[in-house]
Amino acid sequence: EVQLVESGGGLVQPGGSLRLSCAASGFTFRDHYMDWVRQAPGKGLEWVARIRSKVYSYTTEYAASVQGRFTISRDDSKSSLYLQMNSLRTEDTAMYYCSAGVTGSILDYWGQGTLVTVSS
Amino acid sequence: DIQMTQSPSAMSASVGDRVTISCRADQDINSSLAWFQEKPGKVPKTLIYASSSLQSGVPSRFSGSGSGTEFTLTISSLQPEDFATYYCLQYKTYPFIFGGGTKVEVK
Repeated sequence: EVQLVESGGGLVQPGGSLRLSCAASGFTFRDHYMDWVRQAPGKGLEWVARIRSKVYSYTTEYAASVQGRFTISRDDSKSSLYLQMNSLRTEDTAMYYCSAGVTGSILDYWGQGTLVTVSS
Repeated sequence: DIQMTQSPSAMSASVGDRVTISCRADQDINSSLAWFQEKPGKVPKTLIYASSSLQSGVPSRFSGSGSGTEFTLTISSLQPEDFATYYCLQYKTYPFIFGGGTKVEVK
């Protein structure tokens, strides 16, 4: 059974940093791309970032709203995905989900999310 | 960036109704479109990918169609568990963009 468990969310002041983690199990993590998607309170879904597998040189893509501030990374030896978030803004307040593309579909599996609140 | 326009933003329907939700891209995205269902307090769920391919485990009353810039999600006979918010997603080019969502409410 595919499982994705996010952690690392919390309350942070504007301008601060936070590192989210996503522990994956139930599939061959190293073979698949991984994404982060977020949802601000009462708002719609927003794709944040993607990291490809080693075969594709771990290349990354970002939404314009986080480009230069967020960094997606992975540790295949730990089956873990990360999102380093710097220079946080109030508009980054959201539930952050990690997602795996396992079956050839898109965003097949989602974790339960971790809440990030940026506020002074 | 590609812009995705979803309509309507909200709708009221009854159990048994046929429901149609539209999504329009401002550029040709071929068939690189997916549909997601979101319920309060629950994780989003993939319904359709590649415009018309049904995700494993999704009931056959859900179907998708379209290519290029115009896409449609159809629920052939709305069930009580289908009252939710639906989002389209273009994944032809980066950044991936979700539509604004369609909330399907009880009439």
